[in-house]
Amino acid sequence: AQRVTQPEKLLSVFKGAPVELKCNYSYSGSPELFWYVQYSRQRLQLLLRHISRESIKGFTADLNKGETSFHLKKPFAQEEDSAMYYCALGHTGTASKLTFGTGTRLQVTL
Amino acid sequence: DTGVSQDPRHKITKRGQNVTFRCDPISEHNRLYWYRQTLGQGPEFLTYFQNEAQLEKSRLLSDRFSAERPKGSFSTLEIQRTEQGDSAMYLCASSQTGAGTYFGPGTRLTVT
Repeated sequence: AQRVTQPEKLLSVFKGAPVELKCNYSYSGSPELFWYVQYSRQRLQLLLRHISRESIKGFTADLNKGETSFHLKKPFAQEEDSAMYYCALGHTGTASKLTFGTGTRLQVTL
Repeated sequence: DTGVSQDPRHKITKRGQNVTFRCDPISEHNRLYWYRQTLGQGPEFLTYFQNEAQLEKSRLLSDRFSAERPKGSFSTLEIQRTEQGDSAMYLCASSQTGAGTYFGPGTRLTVT
């Protein structure tokens, strides 16, 4: 069965500190991994796709198939990064249906 | 705003009533999805359309739920004989083949 695990419900860091939001997945096929972000009172937004290998708002994520992980990282947290972050797994052959983790709330404090 | 839109944004209904939600996807997107999100959980897949064809339904979608996408444009999700357990945020999303999935603001349903 496909599953996405985000072990931390809440991650609190100081402004300027490094951030790592953990995501592990289980999937028998070839995975497509995504990070979505939801700022307060806003809709869910696509942040990163693993196939794009791009950096958005200073965030990066590398797919590690050996460890079945797709952790989200940022070297220096900013206050505006405070939000809910969801890791999602796309299912190959099923038209981009997504399985989401339970989310991690990132709280960046001064 | 050219993003995915949903209507209404909030719905309060009494148990046993029927409710219908509407989703307007991004116009060039051929795929449309419905998800449900409850407190403390990530969105859970309900159903998916490619153009007007409903190609997949989750086991979460009981026979009280029905979704349509006439003419491959907007979609409706109807819940008949609502139950308190149906209280949730219902999210619509759309995508184009090979591209990312974009979400609407959601419809929050409260069943009293």
